[in-house]
Amino acid sequence: QKEVEQNSGPLSVPEGAIASLNCTYSDRVSQSFFWYRQYSGKSPELIMSIYSNGDKEDGRFTAQLNKASQYVSLLIRDSQPSDSATYLCAGRDTGTASKLTFGTGTRLQVTL
Amino acid sequence: DTGVSQDPRHKITKRGQNVTFRCDPISEHNRLYWYRQTLGQGPEFLTYFQNEAQLEKSRLLSDRFSAERPKGSFSTLEIQRTEQGDSAMYLCASSSQGTNSGNTIYFGEGSWLTVV
Repeated sequence: QKEVEQNSGPLSVPEGAIASLNCTYSDRVSQSFFWYRQYSGKSPELIMSIYSNGDKEDGRFTAQLNKASQYVSLLIRDSQPSDSATYLCAGRDTGTASKLTFGTGTRLQVTL
Repeated sequence: DTGVSQDPRHKITKRGQNVTFRCDPISEHNRLYWYRQTLGQGPEFLTYFQNEAQLEKSRLLSDRFSAERPKGSFSTLEIQRTEQGDSAMYLCASSSQGTNSGNTIYFGEGSWLTVV
């Protein structure tokens, strides 16, 4: 099993809908997770972090963490065309608690 | 601008040449990371420093790659005898040493390398 796994997509949602992005992880990454957004040709930009079981909301974004299932998700409400990007899930390394291990990213397309 | 700064942003080099990238982290951050990203993949960890000490290197980092952070501030990543497979975006990132929210990792804009 890869340390962090994501479906590469593309995930296509209509404007105004909820986009749901999912990520699973192995025991080699710790219980802190990060979602980054990456536009084509640009570097990753941090959207949210989550450390505890449950939900964390920030504006239109909600991150969800389920430690028992080793599952983390990102919900984007009222999706906008400007949300079209690749979303990277990352977990912090369990051993050193320093570096992040990334999934391959899910490409999101928000259609008009 | 107080973010992570990388230079050069783009580099085209001939196979076999050496290239060096520079990274200036966020000033109060003592951890500095190098990642590499190719098309369709997530960033892959290369190495990281805490202050001037290089604490971890990935097995991906062949002996043609060397990184330094001599005074615990800026860092350089050198690739010797470049190969076409080295073509990628090289990302630098930094964080503080705190726990959880205190050590969020922030990326620079990346340095694109094309080996021809």
